[in-house]
Amino acid sequence: AQSVTQPDIHITVSEGASLELRCNYSYGATPYLFWYVQSPGQGLQLLLKYFSGDTLVQGIKGFEAEFKRSQSSFNLRKPSVHWSDAAEYFCAVGAQSGGGADGLTFGKGTHLIIQP
Amino acid sequence: ETGVTQTPRHLVMGMTNKKSLKCEQHLGHNAMYWYKQSAKKPLELMFVYNFKEQTENNSVPSRFSPECPNSSHLFLHLHTLQPEDSALYLCASSHGVGSDEQFFGPGTRLTVL
Repeated sequence: AQSVTQPDIHITVSEGASLELRCNYSYGATPYLFWYVQSPGQGLQLLLKYFSGDTLVQGIKGFEAEFKRSQSSFNLRKPSVHWSDAAEYFCAVGAQSGGGADGLTFGKGTHLIIQP
Repeated sequence: ETGVTQTPRHLVMGMTNKKSLKCEQHLGHNAMYWYKQSAKKPLELMFVYNFKEQTENNSVPSRFSPECPNSSHLFLHLHTLQPEDSALYLCASSHGVGSDEQFFGPGTRLTVL
């Protein structure tokens, strides 16, 4: 079964500074990888996804992520954060189950705090 | 309405009550999901429906009973819940099951007294 580890529970970044959120996954084949963001009281919104091809993926709101197979990682980055980026960020992995019934497996999330 | 909607947004119930959560998707998707989000725990997949058929029950207690009358609607019927069932319940939908991108609703914040 697949699993996802987000090693940082909380991260504090100054507004305007760069950001990197870590995600490591465990899966036997090439996974489908996702990053979602959740603002307080809201559902999850997809930031970006990796299925195949170019390992550097561009997403919404200026985010990008890089798939590194050798490190089993899919870290999320942003060159300059804004106060509105404060939220909970979830990495998720999906199995290439060929139409199987699995949903996504999520990490525990990283809470991003933006300092003025 | 667009996307995935959930009602009610907030629900407080006693342990002996019976209530239902409703989810509706306006995206033409075929698969729908219920997740439970508790504080300090990862999102837990509860149920998966594909073309109205339940394809996964992730060892969920029987006090949670899902219903999917059609591909656009998903219900979660609740009865004799416990305080530890208090959580945010999220509904999601996707075009197909497996690893398709999932679109989430805003969730129902449930408190069991």
